[in-house]
Amino acid sequence: KNEVEQSPQNLTAQEGEFITINCSYSVGISALHWLQQHPGGGIVSLFMLSSGKKKHGRLIATINIQEKHSSLHITASHPRDSAVYICAAPFNSGYSTLTFGKGTMLLVSP
Amino acid sequence: DTEVTQTPKHLVMGMTNKKSLKCEQHMGHRAMYWYKQKAKKPPELMFVYSYEKLSINESVPSRFSPECPNSSLLNLHLHALQPEDSALYLCASSQDYYEGYSSREKLFFGSGTQLSVL
Repeated sequence: KNEVEQSPQNLTAQEGEFITINCSYSVGISALHWLQQHPGGGIVSLFMLSSGKKKHGRLIATINIQEKHSSLHITASHPRDSAVYICAAPFNSGYSTLTFGKGTMLLVSP
Repeated sequence: DTEVTQTPKHLVMGMTNKKSLKCEQHMGHRAMYWYKQKAKKPPELMFVYSYEKLSINESVPSRFSPECPNSSLLNLHLHALQPEDSALYLCASSQDYYEGYSSREKLFFGSGTQLSVL
């Protein structure tokens, strides 16, 4: 079964803390997406990565294709980072669509 | 312009009403998507348009009718909806859409239309 599992489901942190969100998937994929959604809002694509590591500002995403695992790190977290973070992977054979994880709700307190 | 614009942002409608959701992008993307998202749940794919043709319909009830008048515009026509259809409706686009290949396309999402059906 094609699945995307995220952990933790909920995460609270103090401003300035280093944050890690994990994502594992069940079968081999060519690329994995990390997305951010603020409450009641649309979704922003943060990263799409197929190997190694990508960095954008305070956000870092890594992927280990052999272990079928990806992590999203936030350095020096800030209250404005509070959002739901979703990882998603393209599984559907013959279709270019995404299977989404259930998301990690992050709350960063001042 | 790297935006996907959705209108309206909020919509309240009765079960006998007919309404439409609109989505627009000017990035030259040839693939456009409709997703439905219930509270605290991940998005669920409804439709995919590729080159203005419907490529995927994920067994969506006929009370939802998509339309792609041109490559920049995607509509979702709503008729005789049920209260359980209340959700956030998200539009997305990508440069292209491939059948038979795992997606390497980055998706650009709109901010969504929050729909309430009374």
